[in-house]
Amino acid sequence: QVQLVESGGGVVQPGRSLRLSCAASKFTFSSFGMHWVRQAPGKGLEWVAVIWYDENNKYYADSVKGRFTISRDNSKKTLYLQMNSLRAEDTAMYYCARDGGYSFVFGLFDYWGQGTLVTVSS
Amino acid sequence: EIVLTQSPGTLSLSPGERATLSCRASQSISSNFLAWYQQKPGQAPRLLIYGASGRSRATGIPDRFSGSGSGTDFTLTISRLEPEDFAVYYCQQYGNSPPTTRSGSWTFGQGTKVEMK
Repeated sequence: QVQLVESGGGVVQPGRSLRLSCAASKFTFSSFGMHWVRQAPGKGLEWVAVIWYDENNKYYADSVKGRFTISRDNSKKTLYLQMNSLRAEDTAMYYCARDGGYSFVFGLFDYWGQGTLVTVSS
Repeated sequence: EIVLTQSPGTLSLSPGERATLSCRASQSISSNFLAWYQQKPGQAPRLLIYGASGRSRATGIPDRFSGSGSGTDFTLTISRLEPEDFAVYYCQQYGNSPPTTRSGSWTFGQGTKVEMK
């Protein structure tokens, strides 16, 4: 069964940085696009960023463009999200999710991790 | 960007009853690629239904869950509610890849809560 385990969340002051990680196992990580999706407390789901299986393409939601950077290390089967210039509105549970397309990215989230909570507060 | 509006906000039903959840898009969804997710408190979302017109069930999803619709109107039906089905359900449009400003990003509806009556 596909496993995704996020880490790196915590409490951070506005304007500071944080890096999230997502360790993947039990599937061929290098063949799938990967996403970050977030959920503010008591709110709905918001797609944040995607990286293609071969790292050649990366896209971001307008709300994080220029501040967040998605990356991956296929040799370590790990996905990352570097978050800079954090704002209070970035407070959320951050989930990594696998894209349902094999060697293609559809924007369908077929497996999710349990999430890591990021709280931006002074 | 496509806006998805789900209704009702909350559905109060009893186990064994049929649940019908609606998802309406602000514009026609390309290739009718619409997915449904279930989220229980304290858990990550889980993919239920995907594919053209939302007709394919994800691995391990029981056949009491079914999807239908096309264009701008989609429906998730749970034929007979089991106790474990009480949760929040989200619809999501996908398939427009890559998610550029022109094609629009991948968006979710605001969710429908199915609660026990």
